[in-house]
Amino acid sequence: NAGVTQTPKFRVLKTGQSMTLLCAQDMNHEYMYWYRQDPGMGLRLIHYSVGEGTTAKGEVPDGYNVSRLKKQNFLLGLESAAPSQTSVYFCASSYVTGGAMVDIQYFGAGTRLSVL
Amino acid sequence: AQRVTQPEKLLSVFKGAPVELKCNYSYSGSPELFWYVQYSRQRLQLLLRHISRESIKGFTADLNKGETSFHLKKPFAQEEDSAMYYCALLSGYSTLTFGKGTMLLVSP
Repeated sequence: NAGVTQTPKFRVLKTGQSMTLLCAQDMNHEYMYWYRQDPGMGLRLIHYSVGEGTTAKGEVPDGYNVSRLKKQNFLLGLESAAPSQTSVYFCASSYVTGGAMVDIQYFGAGTRLSVL
Repeated sequence: AQRVTQPEKLLSVFKGAPVELKCNYSYSGSPELFWYVQYSRQRLQLLLRHISRESIKGFTADLNKGETSFHLKKPFAQEEDSAMYYCALLSGYSTLTFGKGTMLLVSP
């Protein structure tokens, strides 16, 4: 049982380049999330999804796009990377309790992205 | 708007000393609060949540609605407790709002 898997683990981009980060979970979780972690800023939510085919904006969505075409996958795209997007990106997933309330979030190992 | 405040960026203690990591929240509804921990070179994971009222690895946290706090405590710190600790608040039904984190360093 792999849990939440993120690829790639590391990436260096030049300003203006594009890339896609992949998150895959094998726990049949409904909810999936993308966060960025920056020193002194904690974890900030970029986008999230409450089910296949649905996405929503989080706290810091600008410059990112997401897609949830399959329940187990959540993709994060950077169309034109900027140095301000240098960060560690974490994906998480969660199951839903009977009251449709999200429960524990399970995290991936992270993707370290540098934009030069 | 919901907010989670962890006032200490770094907390340094000696092994065997008591530890208290502070967390204050701002939320208009009934709060659901969590503590997540990230050990060196490991992924973020749940430490405990207030609805469970449990003790994990010797840590406890009590929700104080009057003071809007959810401080994490351990009576005797161990070196293996060194990690980054995040307090988190369930926002609505779908998302968590995290604090900025407190790095705990336990020295021998």
